[in-house]
Amino acid sequence: ETGVTQSPTHLIKTRGQQVTLRCSSQSGHNTVSWYQQALGQGPQFIFQYYREEENGRGNFPPRFSGLQFPNYSSELNVNALELDDSALYLCASSSSAVAGYEQYFGPGTRLTVT
Amino acid sequence: GQNIDQPTEMTATEGAIVQINCTYQTSGFNGLFWYQQHAGEAPTFLSYNVLDGLEEKGRFSSFLSRSKGYSYLLLKELQMKDSASYLCAVLPEYGNKLVFGAGTILRVKS
Repeated sequence: ETGVTQSPTHLIKTRGQQVTLRCSSQSGHNTVSWYQQALGQGPQFIFQYYREEENGRGNFPPRFSGLQFPNYSSELNVNALELDDSALYLCASSSSAVAGYEQYFGPGTRLTVT
Repeated sequence: GQNIDQPTEMTATEGAIVQINCTYQTSGFNGLFWYQQHAGEAPTFLSYNVLDGLEEKGRFSSFLSRSKGYSYLLLKELQMKDSASYLCAVLPEYGNKLVFGAGTILRVKS
């Protein structure tokens, strides 16, 4: 069984640029959630995708957008990058969008905006 | 609003027992998770509580009191590899959208 994978591992971008981060969910999982973790903080929920539809969104501006594909992999897109977007971006997959199902986290993508 | 509080840092000795507390005030409650996160790595699942009481899993136990908005994670027979950040996360509503605390950095010394 393959776990959650994310790419790239690290990324450096300039303010104003756009970035796409990718996540492959664990086999059999149809739900993917994205989190932003700033240094020294807990992860903050960005949004969740369930069966290719957005299924809830946290307090993030519209320049944060996402997609989920038929194989349940997912992308996080961030436009007009700001310095504060520098963080570890985690994706987590689960076998259901129902409360209580364990979320399995990927290793994350470390984004640095200069 | 959602508010989850944990101590910022704790230090304990190898072989000892440590209790990490978490208090929460959220708009709803559908369960509480504890995750362990080593520096630069992904959070890994430790426990899930939805009913009051103690859940034991090897060296780790987690307790929940819904009426008090309180949980703790108990780590026994501490090992050096337990040095990590411990994250308390609440499911405030139906669905699987976790709200995390800032985490407690645990340092285990020999």
